[in-house]
Amino acid sequence: AQSVTQLDSQVPVFEEAPVELRCNYSSSVSVYLFWYVQYPNQGLQLLLKYLSGSTLVKSINGFEAEFNKSQTSFHLRKPSVHISDTAEYFCAVDLSPYGGSQGNLIFGKGTKLSVKP
Amino acid sequence: NAGVTQTPKFRVLKTGQSMTLLCAQDMNHEYMYWYRQDPGMGLRLIHYSVGEGTTAKGEVPDGYNVSRLKKQNFLLGLESAAPSQTSVYFCASSYSQGAPGANVLTFGAGSRLTVL
Repeated sequence: AQSVTQLDSQVPVFEEAPVELRCNYSSSVSVYLFWYVQYPNQGLQLLLKYLSGSTLVKSINGFEAEFNKSQTSFHLRKPSVHISDTAEYFCAVDLSPYGGSQGNLIFGKGTKLSVKP
Repeated sequence: NAGVTQTPKFRVLKTGQSMTLLCAQDMNHEYMYWYRQDPGMGLRLIHYSVGEGTTAKGEVPDGYNVSRLKKQNFLLGLESAAPSQTSVYFCASSYSQGAPGANVLTFGAGSRLTVL
């Protein structure tokens, strides 16, 4: 069965330190990969996505993720975190052959990033 | 530009009661989804719809029903609520396959349901 594994349920880190949130998936077909972020008491919102092309994708607020097909990973990184990055981060894999989800989006269980001053 | 709106935001039910959660989107999205979020479980798909008048089961459909009578609305119903349905429910929508941005879901703010 297809699955998404986020290896860390909680990641505490000090402000201005680097962080990596890990995501691995299992799939024998081509996939689309996403990171969503959920701030406290809010819905999820897209942080970044990989559909095709360059394996390194970046968000507007300094996060980046690299698609590694051989290791079936899509780890999220930021070189220097802020207090405002405190949130829960979800990795997701879309198994739809042509995109459009159609109910084929699988979410990981989430990683809570806690940034401390 | 409201995006995806869910009502109500909070609700407390007794076991056996029924209720309906309403999701409305104003982005002309074809696809709509209902997820539930439980601690340590991530998001699990309950039901989804790929167009007006169509619905399909997701990963955890038991105990829920849905309807998509209008393109902009997607209703989630609980006919006989159980404590195991205590959760935060999220509605989401997206464009149809092949359309630009088709893979990106827009989420509502969530509806917190407690079943006593």
